[in-house]
Amino acid sequence: NAGVTQTPKFQVLKTGQSMTLQCAQDMNHEYMSWYRQDPGMGLRLIHYSVGAGITDQGEVPNGYNVSRSTTEDFPLRLLSAAPSQTSVYFCASKERGPETQYFGPGTRLLVL
Amino acid sequence: RKEVEQDPGPFNVPEGATVAFNCTYSNSASQSFFWYRQDCRKEPKLLMSVYSSGNEDGRFTAQLNRASQYISLLIRDSKLSDSATYLCVVNMLGRGSTLGRLYFGRGTQLTVWP
Repeated sequence: NAGVTQTPKFQVLKTGQSMTLQCAQDMNHEYMSWYRQDPGMGLRLIHYSVGAGITDQGEVPNGYNVSRSTTEDFPLRLLSAAPSQTSVYFCASKERGPETQYFGPGTRLLVL
Repeated sequence: RKEVEQDPGPFNVPEGATVAFNCTYSNSASQSFFWYRQDCRKEPKLLMSVYSSGNEDGRFTAQLNRASQYISLLIRDSKLSDSATYLCVVNMLGRGSTLGRLYFGRGTQLTVWP
């Protein structure tokens, strides 16, 4: 199994540009989530999904959209990038219940 | 108040030292508990789960006190390779939901020096 994969690893955007961060998992996990990690702030939940076709907002959803058309994929879209969205983004997946999460390697995003 | 609180450190200890990290959580209905390790510029990875009776994995010992809503991690005989950030993670049920959600502390930074 590849586990959780994320692309791209690095990205530089200009303010106002849009982009999609890709996330895929091959473990047939129902639960997938997106976090951002900023210095001194820890991991903050952006959006999550409990299954195909079902998504919900986390702690910091503004400026981000998600969709879950398949179990495997959970892309994160930035519609109009802002410098405040400069961060490291982690995708994670887990099975239903209290099981632990598996994280992807992260995407480092810089918005100028 | 944040759902999960940790002392951010940093903790700087010599090789061979014993170091302990503490964590408190706000929701008494929390289901499960974990310690994650995160190396610099890497993703978080599970270090160990924390069980009510306490559990040990080699040099690492985790304790849970549900009455005080407190979790701890003890590292004995510290190694240089233990240098990392340690994240306290709590699974809490959402309101009206049967699905748990993970809440992360901000992490405690550990540096082990030779």
